[in-house]
Amino acid sequence: GENVEQHPSTLSVQEGDSAVIKCTYSDSASNYFPWYKQELGKGPQLIIDIRSNVGEKKDQRIAVTLNKTAKHFSLHITETQPEDSAVYFCAAQNTGNQFYFGTGTSLTVIP
Amino acid sequence: DAGVTQSPTHLIKTRGQHVTLRCSPISGHKSVSWYQQVLGQGPQFIFQYYEKEERGRGNFPDRFSARQFPNYSSELNVNALLLGDSALYLCASSFPSYETQYFGPGTRLLVL
Repeated sequence: GENVEQHPSTLSVQEGDSAVIKCTYSDSASNYFPWYKQELGKGPQLIIDIRSNVGEKKDQRIAVTLNKTAKHFSLHITETQPEDSAVYFCAAQNTGNQFYFGTGTSLTVIP
Repeated sequence: DAGVTQSPTHLIKTRGQHVTLRCSPISGHKSVSWYQQVLGQGPQFIFQYYEKEERGRGNFPDRFSARQFPNYSSELNVNALLLGDSALYLCASSFPSYETQYFGPGTRLLVL
C-alpha cells in the first residue's frame, strides 16, 4: 500500500514569513495529492490539490509543487498570517482511489 | 449549499457497546468515505462507498461495518467497542469515487 511521510511535525514562523511543508510518498502510481488544513475541533478543509500531470499549482498565497521522479510534494505558504495557524495534512490517492494521509504539521504563525 | 454533515457531534460509550455514526454527503455527491483520526495523527481510511457499493476497505477489524443508502447518506457501525476506538470519525464525500473529497466536521467518540 501507499506510505506518506510528512515533515516537519511542528513549524513556527514569524508573521509575514514563508512556511514550507514537505511530503514523500511510496507508490509511484499515486496520481492525486491534496492538502488539507484542520483547525481545532473541525474536519479537514481542502486548501489546494495537484494532479500527477502537473508540476506546480498556485492559489494566491498557497502553492504546491510535485516531483514525480523523487516522489515528493510540498506546500508553500507565503506572507503567513496568524489565521494560517492550524494543522496541515498532505495526502496521496492511489490507483485504488484510496487516500493516505501524512501525520500532519502543526503550523504556528507568531504575530 | 450545505457541506457534509455528520451526527452526532459527540458521543460517549462504554467498552463492549455498539455505536452508529451517520453522514450526509454534499448534494449531488455519490461517494462517501469514512476515516478514523486518532489524536495527533492523520485520518486513516476505513471504508469507501460509491453508488451504495463498497469500493474500498482499510485495515480495520470486522467490528467496523458501513453501508450507504439510496439517498447516498451513510452509516458507520462499530461493534464491541474498545478503548482504542476513541477517536474523531470523519466522513468525506465526492462526486465520483476518485474525485476530490470534502470532509464533514466529524463525530468525536469517547469509549470509557
